[in-house]
Amino acid sequence: GQQLNQSPQSMFIQEGEDVSMNCTSSSIFNTWLWYKQDPGEGPVLLIALYKAGELTSNGRLTAQFGITRKDSFLNISASIPSDVGIYFCAGRGNQGGKLIFGQGTELSVKP
Amino acid sequence: GAVVSQHPSRVICKSGTSVKIECRSLDFQATTMFWYRQFPKQSLMLMATSNEGSKATYEQGVEKDKFLINHASLTLSTLTVTSAHPEDSSFYICSAYTGTSGDGELFFGEGSRLTVL
Repeated sequence: GQQLNQSPQSMFIQEGEDVSMNCTSSSIFNTWLWYKQDPGEGPVLLIALYKAGELTSNGRLTAQFGITRKDSFLNISASIPSDVGIYFCAGRGNQGGKLIFGQGTELSVKP
Repeated sequence: GAVVSQHPSRVICKSGTSVKIECRSLDFQATTMFWYRQFPKQSLMLMATSNEGSKATYEQGVEKDKFLINHASLTLSTLTVTSAHPEDSSFYICSAYTGTSGDGELFFGEGSRLTVL
């Protein structure tokens, strides 16, 4: 099926460092979403972006909806051990709740 | 917040048997439910879109006779994996959508891990 290109695939960082990951697509999306998934659980929504150029923060997390509507990035500042997990971007077109997911970025944080 | 519940969370079955997974929206009505499959270390792949009272729409490459989806009410959708084989072992996740076009909210279930022996 269709996927977004998400990078990097994995990151190993020291506690306190900042993290950045991004997604690109060949298609335009109306909404970009960022999720975190812990092992054995469903994804949990972190940030939703609804407008091109929008920059939104949620605590230490900041995400932006690219101007072209074909990309988005997520930044995590001052990482902590509980940030460990897999982060997914997802794009939504105009087909209601149907999402296309990126391949995921696995984040490991060393205390 | 809205809750989507999946049951069972884990199931182990023998090859050749059928397994049913339920997805319920607990405090809202879902116009549409989506079923995803996720293999280890991989992304969520959409399997099918399910609208209450109508036939599910399956993504390319997903066998509709193998993965039966029933959406009998606005709060319940079921996925039945028929004649399961070891390669069907996966994490199955549903999501429930509250809107009718692009105006609704989407909530994910906790997932169901299927292991076929």
